[in-house]
Amino acid sequence: KAGVTQTPRYLIKTRGQQVTLSCSPISGHRSVSWYQQTPGQGLQFLFEYFSETQRNKGNFPGRFSGRQFSNSRSEMNVSTLELGDSALYLCASGGSGRTTDTQYFGPGTRLTVL
Amino acid sequence: QKEVEQDPGPLSVPEGAIVSLNCTYSNSAFQYFMWYRQYSRKGPELLMYTYSSGNKEDGRFTAQVDKSSKYISLFIRDSQPSDSATYLCAMIMGGKLTFGQGTILTVHP
Repeated sequence: KAGVTQTPRYLIKTRGQQVTLSCSPISGHRSVSWYQQTPGQGLQFLFEYFSETQRNKGNFPGRFSGRQFSNSRSEMNVSTLELGDSALYLCASGGSGRTTDTQYFGPGTRLTVL
Repeated sequence: QKEVEQDPGPLSVPEGAIVSLNCTYSNSAFQYFMWYRQYSRKGPELLMYTYSSGNKEDGRFTAQVDKSSKYISLFIRDSQPSDSATYLCAMIMGGKLTFGQGTILTVHP
């Protein structure tokens, strides 16, 4: 079974631009969560989608948004990029949609904001 | 104070050593506990998933949970150079994973 895939793997943007990251969960998984990983803050939860609805949200500004499509694929958007948004963005998928499901991570998208 | 505290290390041990990694947490609502391993430039990989207090063993890995003390541990027996990675404890509540800072482990031959 293929794992979680994320595209692109690397991205370089400048301040003020916006960016869209994509995540395809494991086949059959319906829950997708997004995390930001930085050396200073570690792994922080952004939001979770289940059946095209945002089910949970972390403490990030409204510049960070996401959506999920009917095939469970998800996108994350960051508008008006700031230098501090440079990070590894990880997507994780869960199986049946229970909130206690094991989450399986993709390789991440490394975003650099110049 | 962070909800989950983990000593970032780094930790350096010789091959064959027993490694002990630990996390403490403050929120007693956390019920499910995980350990992830993350190699450089890769996403976290699930190692262990536990619910109840006590020990859970999987090969060279043992996860220990003490809910009364709000303390979890991961033991690695007969450590190998291939175990060199960052180890992250994580706890789940309401579909949201809260991670520790991660401990960088190096196992040298």
